[in-house]
Amino acid sequence: GAGVSQSPRYKVAKRGQDVALRCDPISGHVSLFWYQQALGQGPEFLTYFQNEAQLDKSGLPSDRFFAERPEGSVSTLKIQRTQQEDSAVYLCASSVGMGGYEQYFGPGTRLTVT
Amino acid sequence: KQEVTQIPAALSVPEGENLVLNCSFTDSAIYNLQWFRQDPGKGLTSLLLIQSSQREQTSGRLNASLDKSSGRSTLYIAASQPGDSATYLCASYNTDKLIFGTGTRLQVFP
Repeated sequence: GAGVSQSPRYKVAKRGQDVALRCDPISGHVSLFWYQQALGQGPEFLTYFQNEAQLDKSGLPSDRFFAERPEGSVSTLKIQRTQQEDSAVYLCASSVGMGGYEQYFGPGTRLTVT
Repeated sequence: KQEVTQIPAALSVPEGENLVLNCSFTDSAIYNLQWFRQDPGKGLTSLLLIQSSQREQTSGRLNASLDKSSGRSTLYIAASQPGDSATYLCASYNTDKLIFGTGTRLQVFP
C-alpha cells in the first residue's frame, strides 16, 4: 500500500509569497501531524488533526501558518507572507489513531525562501 | 515540558565497531519511544518503536532499550557498516505528538 505522500517535494518562494504544502496520509489513518525541521535540527511539532478536527496547533510559530484537513483525509499547510526563517523541511505523518500509535512519515517538502 | 537530548552529537568510527547512541528525556510519562534514521536530504525512516511497557526491541543488528524511570534510551548498533552512515534521531511520544532530539550524526568509514 501507499505510504504518506507530500507535494511539492521542493518549493522555492520569494519572501512575501504565500505557499501551500500538501499531505496525503495513509488511507484510513485518522490522525495527521505536521512537523518543521530546520537545518541541523530535529523535527519540531507544529499541529495535528484527528479526522477533520484540529486538536492541537500549539506549535505553529505565528499566525501566518495555517493548516486544514476539511474532509479528514488530505491536509494542507499554508504559510502566508513567507519569511526567510520559514525555510525548513516540512514533514507530515499519519497514524491509525490517538494515544501514542506509531506515526508514519512522508518524504517532506523542502521550502526555501529567498 | 519534555526535552529530549542525544549524545554524542556526532560520531565517526571505523567499519566493524559496535556503537552505542544515547537518548535522554526529562519527562518519564511517555507512551512510547522511537528511533529513526535520516539520510541527508531525505525523510525519516523508522528503525525501532519501543512501547512504554517494553524494555527493549531488536531488529537485525539494531537493539534499542528503554528505561523510563531513569529517562534514558540506548540504540546499540552491532558490527557497523559504511551504509549505517546517517543521522539517528530518537523521539518520545508525549500524549499524541513526538518530541525529537537533535540527533547523532554517524559516519562509518571503511
